[in-house]
Amino acid sequence: DTGVSQNPRHKITKRGQNVTFRCDPISEHNRLYWYRQTLGQGPEFLTYFQNEAQLEKSRLLSDRFSAERPKGSFSTLEIQRTEQGDSAMYLCASSLASNRANTEAFFGQGTRLTVV
Amino acid sequence: GIQVEQSPPDLILQEGANSTLRCNFSDSVNNLQWFHQNPWGQLINLFYIPSGTKQNGRLSATTVATERYSLLYISSSQTTDSGVYFCAVERSAGGFKTIFGAGTRLFVKA
Repeated sequence: DTGVSQNPRHKITKRGQNVTFRCDPISEHNRLYWYRQTLGQGPEFLTYFQNEAQLEKSRLLSDRFSAERPKGSFSTLEIQRTEQGDSAMYLCASSLASNRANTEAFFGQGTRLTVV
Repeated sequence: GIQVEQSPPDLILQEGANSTLRCNFSDSVNNLQWFHQNPWGQLINLFYIPSGTKQNGRLSATTVATERYSLLYISSSQTTDSGVYFCAVERSAGGFKTIFGAGTRLFVKA
């Protein structure tokens, strides 16, 4: 396994279009996270899954954003009706966790979204 | 929610110099990680250190959980150390999401 994989690496879209990103976590990891990072800032938490269950969503995740992890493996993040403010790096991470403890999280290379 | 503060925000070093980066957090945490973000945006894991001290080559880290801070030491800095260093904590209560600090931007001059 080569780590967390994200596709595409870059996406340029026109305002108002829908976009979908994919994340493939490290295979044995049951927890998957999505973050957003804008220029000069640290990554901001969006949502996370344990297996296929979405356990927490940030207030940053407006109703235009939806994330899925249907089989507890890969995940998709969809943004509908994109706005220029959605331009950012979208990062995915995974970890192996139980109900009581988490382990080290590993990040993918990110998908850089530019909305024009 | 939990606050994570990193200092200094920016740091310029001459190659070969040593430095200490600090991370303060406002509440009890389960886990703490240090990352280096390279110019391409990739977050590289440096340390997974909820408590204690670890060393890896020229880098070492210490977390004092009871006093709610962690330190990252870089010795004999190299130009390839340039980038942004992030501290990220996982809170103890109410879930397992990881919260990042704003980072320390390091530039090492040749």
